[in-house]
Amino acid sequence: EVQLVESGGGLVQPGRSLKLSCAASGFTFSNYGMAWVRQAPTKGLEWVATISYDGSSTYYRDSVKGRFTISRDNAKSTLYLQMDSLRSEDTATYYCARGATGDYWGQGVMVTVSS
Amino acid sequence: DIQMTQSPSSLPASLGDRVTITCRASQDIGNYLRWFQQKPGKSPRLMIYGATNLANGVPSRFSGSRSGSDYSLTINSLESEDMAIYYCLQHNEYPYTFGAGTKLELK
Repeated sequence: EVQLVESGGGLVQPGRSLKLSCAASGFTFSNYGMAWVRQAPTKGLEWVATISYDGSSTYYRDSVKGRFTISRDNAKSTLYLQMDSLRSEDTATYYCARGATGDYWGQGVMVTVSS
Repeated sequence: DIQMTQSPSSLPASLGDRVTITCRASQDIGNYLRWFQQKPGKSPRLMIYGATNLANGVPSRFSGSRSGSDYSLTINSLESEDMAIYYCLQHNEYPYTFGAGTKLELK
């Protein structure tokens, strides 16, 4: 059974950093690209970033480019999202998803950016 | 960026109805279109991929179609478990973009 379990969320002040993790199991992690998708409270889904199966290629939405870094450790079957210079508009539930377009999703982790 | 215009935003319907949700792409996306279902407090679930292909475990009352730049999700014989928000997603080019969502609710 495919499982994706996010962690690392919480309350953080504007301008600070946070690193999310996504532990994957039930499939061969190193064979799949992975993505982060977020959802602000009561809002729709927003694609954030994608990483290729081997980590050699990454893609970001413009609003997070230069502030967020997606990475992976295939030996640990874990996906990461380093979030720097956080803004209030980054407040959202962050989902880890298998594949560039999400055939399986984690349960999500809440990130609140507020002073 | 490619804009996905999804309609309607809200869709009241009765059990047993046939309903259709549509997304229009602002540029050519081929068949790089997916549909997701999201229930309150839950993660999204993939329903349709490649515009017309049913994802694993999805009931056959769901179907996807394409007409030019218009993509549709149809649910035949609506059941109570289908009440949710549905989103389309284009993945033809970055940044990937979702439609704004359609809330399917009981009339």
